[in-house]
Amino acid sequence: DSGVTQTPKHLITATGQRVTLRCSPRSGDLSVYWYQQSLDQGLQFLIQYYNGEERAKGNILERFSAQQFPDLHSELNLSSLELGDSALYFCASSVLASGSETQYFGPGTRLLVL
Amino acid sequence: AQKVTQAQTEISVVEKEDVTLDCVYETRDTTYYLFWYKQPPSGELVFLIRRNSFDEQNEISGRYSWNFQKSTSSFNFTITASQVVDSAVYFCALSIEFGSARQLTFGSGTQLTVLP
Repeated sequence: DSGVTQTPKHLITATGQRVTLRCSPRSGDLSVYWYQQSLDQGLQFLIQYYNGEERAKGNILERFSAQQFPDLHSELNLSSLELGDSALYFCASSVLASGSETQYFGPGTRLLVL
Repeated sequence: AQKVTQAQTEISVVEKEDVTLDCVYETRDTTYYLFWYKQPPSGELVFLIRRNSFDEQNEISGRYSWNFQKSTSSFNFTITASQVVDSAVYFCALSIEFGSARQLTFGSGTQLTVLP
């Protein structure tokens, strides 16, 4: 158990809908990362937050957004969902925002868009 | 830009055999970090090791060992006396100290199947 929690574990929804994925980092970690794992794209970085502020952006679609709250938990919002958004979404956390930090991953949220 | 290549898509071995998973990376930065993660069938990503670019010492942890060679930009992972529980997808990843690529850049993964 990495100490990172993600809810829900599974999510089934329809195209055009909006969903919110939630992540709680390890105790003491200030940085949260979101990754998407799909069969065709592999594991891809989406976005990073550090202590409530956005720090880095990867291949995140405009339909997706995220935020980190004062209690350091983070939410990833996916809207106008398409079939291709079906994937495993991981949250990871680390103490600081540096690339030297080890990122510990949550169990993931498996999203299926029908 | 950073890149990680895991050329072995799938490897199948019989229990107790040794197996090496290859990882080749590309970066122009002199300070970088290499990682290995394991993804068992249950789906979570489990951290195995982190190595920084200034430390070329090989590491051994039980049946696991890692060989880091800057000259060939490789960070290979060997499992000695493999067990069925080692069956998983293994990912190699790279990050740099600063800049926009502080996040992990992952390879495509190697699916390891250990047969009883």
